[in-house]
Amino acid sequence: DAGVTQSPTHLIKTRGQQVTLRCSPKSGHDTVSWYQQALGQGPQFIFQYYEEEERQRGNFPDRFSGHQFPNYSSELNVNALWLGDSALYLCASSLSGGGYYGYTFGSGTRLTVV
Amino acid sequence: DQQVKQNSPSLSVQEGRISILNCDYTNSMFDYFLWYKKYPAEGPTFLISISSIKDKNEDGRFTVFLNKSAKHLSLHIMPSQPGDSAVYFCAASVTNDYKLSFGAGTTVTVRA
Repeated sequence: DAGVTQSPTHLIKTRGQQVTLRCSPKSGHDTVSWYQQALGQGPQFIFQYYEEEERQRGNFPDRFSGHQFPNYSSELNVNALWLGDSALYLCASSLSGGGYYGYTFGSGTRLTVV
Repeated sequence: DQQVKQNSPSLSVQEGRISILNCDYTNSMFDYFLWYKKYPAEGPTFLISISSIKDKNEDGRFTVFLNKSAKHLSLHIMPSQPGDSAVYFCAASVTNDYKLSFGAGTTVTVRA
């Protein structure tokens, strides 16, 4: 049973560029949450998607946007990249109604902005 | 604003001894607490949780204690094993909220 799959695993972008990160949830899960983990810090909640809608959003600027597809997979888009956006981006999937209960995390995408 | 704090960035313990990891929180609305374990190049995995209506929860070698009045929780690992070497994150949430607030993590090293 495949867990959460994130792609790519590593990415290097230049300041000002745009990036798209992808996440395929664990089989049977329909809710996807995105977290940003900066170096030396814990994961910070970006937003959660359920039924193709953003259900809740953390304290992140509008440069961070997302999408959920009918097959429950999700994308995280970041526009106008800053150096400070360099981080590990984690995707977590779960069952509807559970929010964070039963989160399964992916291994993350390491984004480096130069 | 860091609502969940893990003030010890690292902990070294001898195999077979007890590991005690601490976590403090500032938001009195938090009513559910979790611990996650993370190995390098892997995502965090759920370890154990506790609801605010309890003050202790055990699962095998892992025990979590909650002191609501002090806004403090701790994770005890006894006995510690080499495979326990990892980063441990404390996380908290509010009922009907969809997000977790994480601490910065504590790196545990178990020495043989």
